[in-house]
Amino acid sequence: EIVMTQSPATLSVSPGERVTLSCRASQSVSSNLAWYQQKPGQAPRLLIYGASTRATGFPARFSGSGSGTEFTLTISSLQSEDFAVYYCQQYNNWPLTFGGGTKVEIK
Amino acid sequence: QVQLQESGPGLVKPSQTLSLTCTVSGGSINSGGGYWNWIRQHPGKGLEWIGYIYYSGSTYYNPSLQSRVTISVDTSKNQFSLKLSSVTAADTAVYHCARGRTLVDYWGQGTLVTVSS
Repeated sequence: EIVMTQSPATLSVSPGERVTLSCRASQSVSSNLAWYQQKPGQAPRLLIYGASTRATGFPARFSGSGSGTEFTLTISSLQSEDFAVYYCQQYNNWPLTFGGGTKVEIK
Repeated sequence: QVQLQESGPGLVKPSQTLSLTCTVSGGSINSGGGYWNWIRQHPGKGLEWIGYIYYSGSTYYNPSLQSRVTISVDTSKNQFSLKLSSVTAADTAVYHCARGRTLVDYWGQGTLVTVSS
């Protein structure tokens, strides 16, 4: 199976700062990469798919990039509602696999 | 708006079978692509895909769990179910039901299942 590795595990950030989260695949997943946002006590929510397409309801400050094995999620100016755990997921090969997550917390 | 709700025992004894049901509301289980998943989240850890069922009944399971997993569907009740046999403490997790074949666009809140005697 494809192993997804996210870094860092935790990111302490102040509101308004730019945030960059990384996700690496153990082998190429082309652009078949999604990002999910999970807030405490809530289910994950699809944020980005196709490596760079924003899902419905998410503002333009969220952007995704990358292909192959290296991917990035960028939040251009962190808002209070963005503090959450972010997971990447590959859907190029079965089984579907997720990264371990990056927690974005208030500094 | 499609909503999913998990139900089932929160405590299961080691070696027994974990059984959960997901009720889909706000849409037919036959629609929206018709693929329905179980995904689990170990405490403080990441997400693990367990498997999916198509509304017609075809299934695909994670090879790491395949020998212990059965997912079934009841279209008349708009429900699908998970059975995981021979559980151990390592199966303690929050179990989510969700919709989608590759991308998961709707999730249930999740239900915590603890394996303990």
